[in-house]
Amino acid sequence: RKEVEQDPGPFNVPEGATVAFNCTYSNSASQSFFWYRQDCRKEPKLLMSVYSSGNEDGRFTAQLNRASQYISLLIRDSKLSDSATYLCVVLGGGADGLTFGKGTHLIIQP
Amino acid sequence: DTGVSQDPRHKITKRGQNVTFRCDPISEHNRLYWYRQTLGQGPEFLTYFQNEAQLEKSRLLSDRFSAERPKGSFSTLEIQRTEQGDSAMYLCASSLAGSVGEQFFGPGTRLTVL
Repeated sequence: RKEVEQDPGPFNVPEGATVAFNCTYSNSASQSFFWYRQDCRKEPKLLMSVYSSGNEDGRFTAQLNRASQYISLLIRDSKLSDSATYLCVVLGGGADGLTFGKGTHLIIQP
Repeated sequence: DTGVSQDPRHKITKRGQNVTFRCDPISEHNRLYWYRQTLGQGPEFLTYFQNEAQLEKSRLLSDRFSAERPKGSFSTLEIQRTEQGDSAMYLCASSLAGSVGEQFFGPGTRLTVL
């Protein structure tokens, strides 16, 4: 079983819509959780950290459910510029390198 | 630009040759990481340094791979006797020790082994 699992998509969503994606992680000892964004042929960049209490940054909301080992990302009022691959990332559980999911490919259509 | 830089950006080599890549992290970052990414996959952790000490190596890092960070600044990743399966994007990232989740990635070195 992969350590971090995501639906690869693609998710085709009209501009202005709300879209949500999820990921699950297998290592219950994992300590920290993040969403990174990767544009085509570019390097990954941190989008936001994910806290147990949930956190919001503008149009983006991230949530963590430790009991179910599940992380989510919600994007409201999607923009064309949100088109990218969203990588679910886990840290900890005995390792200091980040463990990435395969990513979910999001395409916002005009 | 004071971000993470990597050199070269592209490398084409023949199977069996040795290659070396360089990464220059953000200057005040004491942690430096190497990852490998293939098409359709997320980056996979290879190894990391805190200052000049290599603190962790993934089981993905075969004995043909070696990484160094001799003065705690730039790092090199060498692959000996390259194989076609080594073809990938090699990404370097850096962070502060207290913010390991916030890693800043370089543009990567794309390796093609013929």
